[in-house]
Amino acid sequence: DVKVTQSSRYLVKRTGEKVFLECVQDMDHENMFWYRQDPGLGLRLIYFSYDVKMKEKGDIPEGYSVSREKKERFSLILESASTNQTSMYLCASGNRGRTFGSGTRLTVV
Amino acid sequence: GIQVEQSPPDLILQEGANSTLRCNFSDSVNNLQWFHQNPWGQLINLFYIPSGTKQNGRLSATTVATERYSLLYISSSQTTDSGVYFCAVFRGSTLGRLYFGRGTQLTVWP
Repeated sequence: DVKVTQSSRYLVKRTGEKVFLECVQDMDHENMFWYRQDPGLGLRLIYFSYDVKMKEKGDIPEGYSVSREKKERFSLILESASTNQTSMYLCASGNRGRTFGSGTRLTVV
Repeated sequence: GIQVEQSPPDLILQEGANSTLRCNFSDSVNNLQWFHQNPWGQLINLFYIPSGTKQNGRLSATTVATERYSLLYISSSQTTDSGVYFCAVFRGSTLGRLYFGRGTQLTVWP
């Protein structure tokens, strides 16, 4: 089975901090994705990547950046965390279907 | 983008009951997936089903791509089936964003 691993389940950060969320997949997929999920707003696509060093903006990229230096790893970076970035962050991988990681609940205080 | 509508938005069942969840989508798609989000937030893939019928234990799914809908059947429901069920679609070969429905919140009581 495909495994998508997110480095943290729960994270608490202070406003203004630089935050790194890491995602690793073990199935050699070209495509990887970052979503955030908020009550009433559903899942929204932040960024995706279809190859190493390639990235595309999703629907809500503002305040975020990404890094894909190796095929198996896709990092989401909050350059200066703000309270409105408190959310559930979900990473996914897949060339046809998508497999999701277990999510990271980020709280920015 | 593609509009994805799921119904019903909420469903409350007693253990042992059967249920059908529906997903309608507004345009032709190449892929459709059903996910279950458990209480801890993890999205678990149930079916990858762009067309046809698949079964996995008590769950089965049918997608009629020409009529733009998919159905998820849960038989003999258990309390562990509780959670949110999402339908998601996309088009395009390998690259393409998933369009999610708003989900069906299922609660199964003992």
